[in-house]
Amino acid sequence: QVQLQESGPGLVKPSQTLSLTCTVSGGSVNSGPFYWSWIRQHPGKGLEWIGHISYSGSTFYNWPLRGRVAISIDTSKNHFSLELSSVTAADTAVYYCATNAYGFFDRWGQGTLVTVSS
Amino acid sequence: EKVVTQSPATLSVSPGERATLSCRVSQGVSNNLAWYQQKPGQAPRLLIYGASTRATGIPARFSGSGSGTEFSLTISSLQSEDFAVYYCQQYANWPLWTFGQGTKVEIK
Repeated sequence: QVQLQESGPGLVKPSQTLSLTCTVSGGSVNSGPFYWSWIRQHPGKGLEWIGHISYSGSTFYNWPLRGRVAISIDTSKNHFSLELSSVTAADTAVYYCATNAYGFFDRWGQGTLVTVSS
Repeated sequence: EKVVTQSPATLSVSPGERATLSCRVSQGVSNNLAWYQQKPGQAPRLLIYGASTRATGIPARFSGSGSGTEFSLTISSLQSEDFAVYYCQQYANWPLWTFGQGTKVEIK
């Protein structure tokens, strides 16, 4: 079955770009019907859907983050990635990757904490 | 945007008792609602989708009900491993999925 694992820097400086990768095992990123999603959770807070990329490469992003976020897919490495530009302390959060085939998130990575600080 | 509101924020329950959590959506979502459980330091885990269908491997003591704008998650007899934070999520408004703010179930 599909398993997900996030990776990337745990510390990013303000105004820089946060970059994370989600490696997929037990399945292929270019097979349907999945939407490969990113979700974040601010410390002690609830869950915020960031956006997704479909197996065919189409993307959709949550309104508050549009203009700063980009999700891409690399079929040769079987992973998908998140880039969030111009970060501030408000972007400090645990970032999760997850699969979504029918609207709900059925598989999750373990999450990775990203702290924005100089 | 469909706003999702959960209540109460915290629920204190004794082991073996029944717990009922509520989730309200600002506009009707039919049965397009999911529930998740999150324990400290862990990722959320899917419990219920389609408002009432248990995900694979979820014990029968977890049940979901509701339709439209009002939903509930019931844990029939709380076990020690059930003390956690529970989130609901609507997925009717594709793809602007939204989560509730969570209900923490704590030991009374």
